[in-house]
Amino acid sequence: AQKITQTQPGMFVQEKEAVTLDCTYDTSDPSYGLFWYKQPSSGEMIFLIYQGSYDQQNATEGRYSLNFQKARKSANLVISASQLGDSAMYFCAMRVEGYQKVTFGTGTKLQVIP
Amino acid sequence: EAGVAQSPRYKIIEKRQSVAFWCNPISGHATLYWYQQILGQGPKLLIQFQNNGVVDDSQLPKDRFSAERLKGVDSTLKIQPAKLEDSAVYLCASSLAGGSSRSGNTIYFGEGSWLTVV
Repeated sequence: AQKITQTQPGMFVQEKEAVTLDCTYDTSDPSYGLFWYKQPSSGEMIFLIYQGSYDQQNATEGRYSLNFQKARKSANLVISASQLGDSAMYFCAMRVEGYQKVTFGTGTKLQVIP
Repeated sequence: EAGVAQSPRYKIIEKRQSVAFWCNPISGHATLYWYQQILGQGPKLLIQFQNNGVVDDSQLPKDRFSAERLKGVDSTLKIQPAKLEDSAVYLCASSLAGGSSRSGNTIYFGEGSWLTVV
């Protein structure tokens, strides 16, 4: 069974500072993908970044980067230069290859302070 | 490229009434998902289709929820009769058939259908 754990229910960050949102996962399958999604108050789930288990480098997408530590089974999201529009819920998710179900964590609510 | 379309955006019904949600996935996406997200929680998969076949419906309350994807494209999710605890956002999502690549695995969501049962 796959499991995603997000231990931070809420986080605050000062505008223009960097913030790290934690995510750990559990799977015995060697091939999997990890995702981060942003969910603003409007409700839409917005795809941010993807990391494959065999990818050699950590994924980056603009101000988002994924700190992937395979041995520790962690996939933390780093947001650089936080903006007020980054205030939202952030979900970590995992999909195991061949087993198409995607498992989500419980989310972290990020609030950016001016 | 058009995203995942869902309707209605908002719905308020009384308990024991019925409701239906519609979803049109991204063109070419074989896999379609319905998730239920209760306020303050992560999304929970209700049902997953691969083309018009069901891949996973283990968490679908089949006594009151039903879903179909008859032609392998758009899908409807129905609740009958609704209960107070069904109040949630119903998220439809789609992806390519799968695989190990980002493009194959990434799931794209619609804006969601907000249901309030009173």
